[in-house]
Amino acid sequence: NAGVMQNPRHLVRRRGQEARLRCSPMKGHSHVYWYRQLPEEGLKFMVYLQKENIIDESGMPKERFSAEFPKEGPSILRIQQVVRGDSAAYFCASSPRVNTETGELFFGEGSRLTVL
Amino acid sequence: DAKTTQPPSMDCAEGRAANLPCNHSTISGNEYVYWYRQIHSQGPQYIIHGLKNNETNEMASLIITEDRKSSTLILPHATLRDTAVYYCIVIYDKVIFGPGTSLSVIP
Repeated sequence: NAGVMQNPRHLVRRRGQEARLRCSPMKGHSHVYWYRQLPEEGLKFMVYLQKENIIDESGMPKERFSAEFPKEGPSILRIQQVVRGDSAAYFCASSPRVNTETGELFFGEGSRLTVL
Repeated sequence: DAKTTQPPSMDCAEGRAANLPCNHSTISGNEYVYWYRQIHSQGPQYIIHGLKNNETNEMASLIITEDRKSSTLILPHATLRDTAVYYCIVIYDKVIFGPGTSLSVIP
């Protein structure tokens, strides 16, 4: 049973370009979460999605960032017009359901974005 | 925001038990305590969770005080591979990570 797959593992972009990070959840999981970890800092919640719906985007920056989880295919975290401050590791996690006892998230290995 | 307090760092001798404390004095009755760890910027890994009873699995034990205001994660025989940042998380609707405890297992 494959785990959460993230790609690319490493991405280099120049300022002003777009970055697209993909996350394929574990089989049978319909809930996806994105977290960001800046260098030498902790994990920050960004967004929680179910298939075709954004449930909680309280951690997403108001501009340039968007996320989707279409009916078919992986979840995508999109960063437009990247700046150097976007350089970070972006982790995706999935879970099969949500309630107060389902804080058991399965994380991918992350996508490391470097903005030159 | 995280609702837990953990010491920023701890050391443990290899082969000894590592006891990682966590305070969660504002926890409410239906909130679970979860523990994760992150080994050197890999993806976080779920360890264990509990509500009010003590729990044990193949990785660790979780001891929750009777008033539920604190808990302790126990790694019974720490190895060098257990060196990581350990996160204690109280969950209501989403997983919010605090700064955690950086555990160093020393040979």
